[in-house]
Amino acid sequence: NAGVTQTPKFQVLKTGQSMTLQCAQDMNHNSMYWYRQDPGMGLRLIYYSASEGTTDKGEVPNGYNVSRLNKREFSLRLESAAPSQTSVYFCASRGQGNTGELFFGEGSRLTVL
Amino acid sequence: KQEVTQIPAALSVPEGENLVLNCSFTDSAIYNLQWFRQDPGKGLTSLLLIQSSQREQTSGRLNASLDKSSGRSTLYIAASQPGDSATYLCALGSNYKLTFGKGTLLTVNP
Repeated sequence: NAGVTQTPKFQVLKTGQSMTLQCAQDMNHNSMYWYRQDPGMGLRLIYYSASEGTTDKGEVPNGYNVSRLNKREFSLRLESAAPSQTSVYFCASRGQGNTGELFFGEGSRLTVL
Repeated sequence: KQEVTQIPAALSVPEGENLVLNCSFTDSAIYNLQWFRQDPGKGLTSLLLIQSSQREQTSGRLNASLDKSSGRSTLYIAASQPGDSATYLCALGSNYKLTFGKGTLLTVNP
C-alpha cells in the first residue's frame, strides 16, 4: 500500500536554482495539499487542490507554484530557491470532500544554500 | 483566523502511566478534528479523526474527545509504552483547510 509518495526525499539547492517536488497518491482522493514544516513554526499550508483542475493558495504561497497534473499527482515548484525555503515539505491527500481523513507522505527535506 | 494551541509542549512520563494531551482552538466552526503522531524524521501518521457531530473516537489504547463549545480536544493514552514516544499533533479541519497545532513531544521512559 503506497499511499502518498513524494520525491525526492532529500535535495540540496543553491540560491536561485529551480526544482520541482513530486507527489502522487493511489487512494483516489480528490483533495491534495502541500505543507512545509519548520522548527517552532509548525505545519503551514502552501497550496492545496480541492479537486482535479483546481488549485488555491494557502497560508504561505509566495515563492511557490503548483500543478495538479491529474487526479493522482500534485507537484510543487520552486522557481528561484531562497535560503528561507529550506524546510521539510509534506504532501498530503484527503478523500470524502472536506471531511475525510488526511494522509501524509514521508516528506522531502530541502536545503537551499 | 483559527488558532490551535497544544499544551504542554513537552511531556515525560514513566512507562505504564495514563496520560492526556490537550488541544485548544479558537474557532468552533470546524468540520472535524484529527490527531496525528510524528516520529523523528518521518511523516505524520493519522491516529484518530473526529467529525464535528461526534464527541469522541477510540482506537485501541487511544481515546480522543471533542468539545466544540469549549474549544477543546483531548487525546487520552492508556498504559503508555516507550513505543508511544513521538510528537503528537492535532489539526482542525475547516472547509478544505486544516490548521495544525505545534505539537506535544511525548517521551515515555522505560
